[in-house]
Amino acid sequence: GENVEQHPSTLSVQEGDSAVIKCTYSDSASNYFPWYKQELGKRPQLIIDIRSNVGEKKDQRIAVTLNKTAKHFSLHITETQPEDSAVYFCAASTGSTDKLIFGTGTRLQVFP
Amino acid sequence: DAGVIQSPRHEVTEMGQEVTLRCKPISGHNSLFWYRQTMMRGLELLIYFNNNVPIDDSGMPEDRFSAKMPNASFSTLKIQPSEPRDSAVYFCASSFGENGELFFGEGSRLTVL
Repeated sequence: GENVEQHPSTLSVQEGDSAVIKCTYSDSASNYFPWYKQELGKRPQLIIDIRSNVGEKKDQRIAVTLNKTAKHFSLHITETQPEDSAVYFCAASTGSTDKLIFGTGTRLQVFP
Repeated sequence: DAGVIQSPRHEVTEMGQEVTLRCKPISGHNSLFWYRQTMMRGLELLIYFNNNVPIDDSGMPEDRFSAKMPNASFSTLKIQPSEPRDSAVYFCASSFGENGELFFGEGSRLTVL
């Protein structure tokens, strides 16, 4: 069935460094790839998304890249700050439906 | 809009009891999703509705779980009878249109003793 794999499961970086989280998906019909940030005890919130008609999208310090041939996409955070510390989830749509399959999450810690 | 509203925020119950979780989606959204989050399994999609109709319930663990959406502004997720392994945070989320942004509620933390 549909599957989204996410790596790494934990990531620790120094403030100011970059962080990269990678995901792969199995459904070749997937066409929508959002990223969610979940702070401790809070709800997941969308931070950036990309659709299959583009290869890269950037919003200030965060960017997402998509390689449809290889079926993987990545989140890049530059100039990390302590407030970036959270769990990040990637997700992929399943074919033509609105169903999103989430990756297992990456716990990012940014040390001052 | 107040966002997706879930109740209760916390529920502690004993094994065998019935649990009902409630959700009010954002007004105008036409898709509603129930997710379960645990440390071991992450965010799992249980069921989703489009225009109040259940589209995919393949994630519902077993017959003890049921979900309804009687109208566009209300949905319930029921567990009967509950078991300790059902302990988790249950999120409701809603969206509008094809692959619209998913807005999550604050979640219902369920503990089954």
